[in-house]
Amino acid sequence: ETGVTQTPRHLVMGMTNKKSLKCEQHLGHNAMYWYKQSAKKPLELMFVYSLEERVENNSVPSRFSPECPNSSHLFLHLHTLQPEDSALYLCASSQETSRAKNIQYFGAGTRLSVL
Amino acid sequence: SQQGEEDPQALSIQEGENATMNCSYKTSINNLQWYRQNSGRGLVHLILIRSNEREKHSGRLRVTLDTSKKSSSLLITASRAADTASYFCATDAKSNYQLIWGAGTKLIIKP
Repeated sequence: ETGVTQTPRHLVMGMTNKKSLKCEQHLGHNAMYWYKQSAKKPLELMFVYSLEERVENNSVPSRFSPECPNSSHLFLHLHTLQPEDSALYLCASSQETSRAKNIQYFGAGTRLSVL
Repeated sequence: SQQGEEDPQALSIQEGENATMNCSYKTSINNLQWYRQNSGRGLVHLILIRSNEREKHSGRLRVTLDTSKKSSSLLITASRAADTASYFCATDAKSNYQLIWGAGTKLIIKP
């Protein structure tokens, strides 16, 4: 266990559905991340939250909507997705300082299939 | 733009042999990290090497960093079947929160 828990592990949804991915970290970290991982492509950073404030949004389509109600929880709300959104979605957390980027701890991911 | 690039993309060796993977990057860094990912799972941090370090060891892992060539290597000695995984390097982008990831090296250890 890495201290970062993602649910659900697998999700199949139609293009008209609305679903949410959940991430919870038990490490006392101050930053949380959503990544998208597609086959044979580098990890794509989607969103970063630091102290519950969104600090990065890498041109992600509006059909993905993040929510960070507190420093331990992170959600990714999904609606009207496209088949190309099928991927492994990874959540991570870290304890950031001003000096350098630190180690990120990942959840096991949610395997999303959009039909 | 994507900074880290691992080489080779895939590597298949016999159990007991050593495995070497390389990572190149483009801009100056504070540190470089290596992660492992078992199939369909999250990434697990292996080792971090700072820009003022040249070599670092952790168990069967040896990482080197050459800042003049902007490259790093990960050596796994006496490989085991359980080392089968994808390995990623990640460098920090000094100006923001992002780690820059490569596409990874897929390592297969044949028993």
